[in-house]
Amino acid sequence: GQNIDQPTEMTATEGAIVQINCTYQTSGFNGLFWYQQHAGEAPTFLSYNVLDGLEEKGRFSSFLSRSKGYSYLLLKELQMKDSASYLCAVRDSNYQLIWGAGTKLIIKP
Amino acid sequence: IAGITQAPTSQILAAGRRMTLRCTQDMRHNAMYWYRQDLGLGLRLIHYSNTAGTTGKGEVPDGYSVSRANTDDFPLTLASAVPSQTSVYFCASSDEASGTDTQYFGPGTRLTVL
Repeated sequence: GQNIDQPTEMTATEGAIVQINCTYQTSGFNGLFWYQQHAGEAPTFLSYNVLDGLEEKGRFSSFLSRSKGYSYLLLKELQMKDSASYLCAVRDSNYQLIWGAGTKLIIKP
Repeated sequence: IAGITQAPTSQILAAGRRMTLRCTQDMRHNAMYWYRQDLGLGLRLIHYSNTAGTTGKGEVPDGYSVSRANTDDFPLTLASAVPSQTSVYFCASSDEASGTDTQYFGPGTRLTVL
């Protein structure tokens, strides 16, 4: 079966750096997405990786290793507004997105 | 309208009743999707449509139906609601021509079936 694994919850301090990991086992691979979802709101797109390596977008970076079935989302200079769930999703060989259950990130002052 | 809208925002429904959740996008995206999100689980695809006039089944299609008469609208119908369909429902759309085919989500409908 297809599987996306992420930690259920993480806690970090305002101003610090946090890395959220995602491992996947899917039938085929056509890209990996990270989304942010604040409580009670819709997921919003953060990043997309299809080739190995690091993609940087301001305070957020996302890394992919296809051979290891692994990605991480790195958040720098954490702000209170970064408290949210972070969803990892992989596009499989059928071109459908397979979603992880999400990592709830709690930021403490 | 800007982006994707969904209606209603929330609904409490008696079991056995019929319900249609509405979804409209104004981005001229070719593909649209319906997901449900339940606590502790990832988003699960119910139905999708790659282009107007076509639909397909996702991971959890039973008890749901969709139609795609035009590019903008993609309603989801529960023919006879059951309590296990209590969930938050998200509609999304994407544009294959964008390269990444990133999905963009509506605000969601919170449905409770009693």
